[in-house]
Amino acid sequence: EPEVTQTPSHQVTQMGQEVILRCVPISNHLYFYWYRQILGQKVEFLVSFYNNEISEKSEIFDDQFSVERPDGSNFTLKIRSTKLEDSAMYFCATPTRGTDTQYFGPGTRLTVL
Amino acid sequence: GQQVMQIPQYQHVQEGEDFTTYCNSSTTLSNIQWYKQRPGGHPVFLIQLVKSGEVKKQKRLTFQFGEAKKNSSLHITATQTTDVGTYFCAGPSSNQFYFGTGTSLTVIP
Repeated sequence: EPEVTQTPSHQVTQMGQEVILRCVPISNHLYFYWYRQILGQKVEFLVSFYNNEISEKSEIFDDQFSVERPDGSNFTLKIRSTKLEDSAMYFCATPTRGTDTQYFGPGTRLTVL
Repeated sequence: GQQVMQIPQYQHVQEGEDFTTYCNSSTTLSNIQWYKQRPGGHPVFLIQLVKSGEVKKQKRLTFQFGEAKKNSSLHITATQTTDVGTYFCAGPSSNQFYFGTGTSLTVIP
């Protein structure tokens, strides 16, 4: 299975603070996804990102969220001013070439206090 | 918006019993994918079905895609403790990805 890594594995922050979650996807992949999973619930699509631009975003992905590919390899999800309800697992994923099947990273658990 | 529902939400079975989870989409899907998520883990891709009425098998797992491409099922024969986890169906639509509500399987040894 191709490898996708995410850092940090766990992030604890105070409400109102900014957080940046990082993903290092399979090399040379241009298509990335971010998902959120609140504890015990389903996986929810946040945003897809293709060739350094947002391709599609869900209703969850409001102005508090942004995505970037700052250096051509890392892929970041920023939450500007965290809320309690942002507490969740955040997964980065990338599709295998030629398909849309998703390979997920191990996730970052975000806890907002 | 598009909804993908799964039933049951939870299933407890004795080891060796069979298990089935059903997935229903509010819209037609170009393909359906199944993922397994172990407790504390991330979703792991299992299989993709593309054709109407398609059936695929992976050892003890049988996957079906409905004729109308709006529903799917996963059947596990003779469950083992290693089958424990949450099973999600998922389908793409307009560059988004919709996951089902998931079925959490517990296998009692």
